[in-house]
Amino acid sequence: AAGVIQSPRHLIKEKRETATLKCYPIPRHDTVYWYQQGPGQDPQFLISFYEKMQSDKGSIPDRFSAQQFSDYHSELNMSSLELGDSALYFCASSLGTGGSTDTQYFGPGTRLTVL
Amino acid sequence: AQSVTQPDIHITVSEGASLELRCNYSYGATPYLFWYVQSPGQGLQLLLKYFSGDTLVQGIKGFEAEFKRSQSSFNLRKPSVHWSDAAEYFCAVAQLYSGGGADGLTFGKGTHLIIQP
Repeated sequence: AAGVIQSPRHLIKEKRETATLKCYPIPRHDTVYWYQQGPGQDPQFLISFYEKMQSDKGSIPDRFSAQQFSDYHSELNMSSLELGDSALYFCASSLGTGGSTDTQYFGPGTRLTVL
Repeated sequence: AQSVTQPDIHITVSEGASLELRCNYSYGATPYLFWYVQSPGQGLQLLLKYFSGDTLVQGIKGFEAEFKRSQSSFNLRKPSVHWSDAAEYFCAVAQLYSGGGADGLTFGKGTHLIIQP
């Protein structure tokens, strides 16, 4: 079965640079979520989109922005990168009402390293 | 605010032995609870979920979990572990943010499972 696709899988950036992470949800899924997992940490919810509109926000820094496009893929844009942004970034997708009961299926993650 | 506690950071069990991973939640209303497994450098795979109904839920790979409202717990169990079960296990609760909508999950800190031969 098709899964969530994230690209790139690995990314190395310098401080103060920008980065764009992409997420392609499971076909027909209309909801996308972004999470950040620091080393040895649990995943932290950043933001979600349902039917191309921002749905909820978690602990997303102001330096980050995201959007969902007409084909339901999503991009997470990160500017003025800091060392502390080094983490594994997960995208998850779900199909449904965009509510609590939607099961989220996670992608393999993008590992961002900021030097 | 909703929260999830996994009291055990590491657990070591022998291959073939039974397993129980603990999870306690704090949530005002009916919780939506999940268990995910993460192998090193990999994404999160859903093991099972609880929304309502039967409090004993079956998942993939022979795992099950029991929801106990009186104890605010959702412990994960497996009768006989295999070496391939070694991984990080996360309990999560669906958290309602203001405005409703697609709710992000709140994860526990995870339990690292080590399997001894």
